[in-house]
Amino acid sequence: GAGVSQSPRYKVAKRGQDVALRCDPISGHVSLFWYQQALGQGPEFLTYFQNEAQLDKSGLPSDRFFAERPEGSVSTLKIQRTQQEDSAVYLCASSLGGEGNEQYFGPGTRLTVT
Amino acid sequence: QQQVKQSPQSLIVQKGGISIINCAYENTAFDYFPWYQQFPGKGPALLIAIRPDVSEKKEGRFTISFNKSAKQFSLHIMDSQPGDSATYFCAGANRDDKIIFGKGTRLHILP
Repeated sequence: GAGVSQSPRYKVAKRGQDVALRCDPISGHVSLFWYQQALGQGPEFLTYFQNEAQLDKSGLPSDRFFAERPEGSVSTLKIQRTQQEDSAVYLCASSLGGEGNEQYFGPGTRLTVT
Repeated sequence: QQQVKQSPQSLIVQKGGISIINCAYENTAFDYFPWYQQFPGKGPALLIAIRPDVSEKKEGRFTISFNKSAKQFSLHIMDSQPGDSATYFCAGANRDDKIIFGKGTRLHILP
């Protein structure tokens, strides 16, 4: 079946604008993760959902970052009042959950804040 | 605090040679150690993974060696090919939990 999809693939925002990034996980995957990948770095964890419950948001860098997964499927990562340091690739991953643990990543959304 | 340390940052290997990437971890609670491969403009893709009760796992040309007492593990790519040129990330994780990635190794295989 289809893999994890993300939209938009590229987003340019002026500093101070709000952005919303979408993730469509693999159908049936219970767990959903958001990561931030700065240029030349490894992905860093932002937040984790199990179905619609946000179980861990310890990686969100500030209260300008907000994520939701209201029906336990599609997820949206919202960044308010974007800053230049928010420029990065935002990756979404999903997994079956439980002991499966294998996370499948989407292609990411490259956010550039000017 | 960097929980997974990876080296080298970049690596150049002749076609047909062996590529070796090393990692060390700090969190003894990790019970899953995946390696991801990432091509430019793509998301990371799982390459091979190991659990700490196993000292070695081989899949085709890719082998993970794991040393639990030293908290170190490594990826060996045998008969390296130009198509293997990519960025490789080692990582540690708990079951169904966030993955902690290393900083990555940019591998270039010379044709």
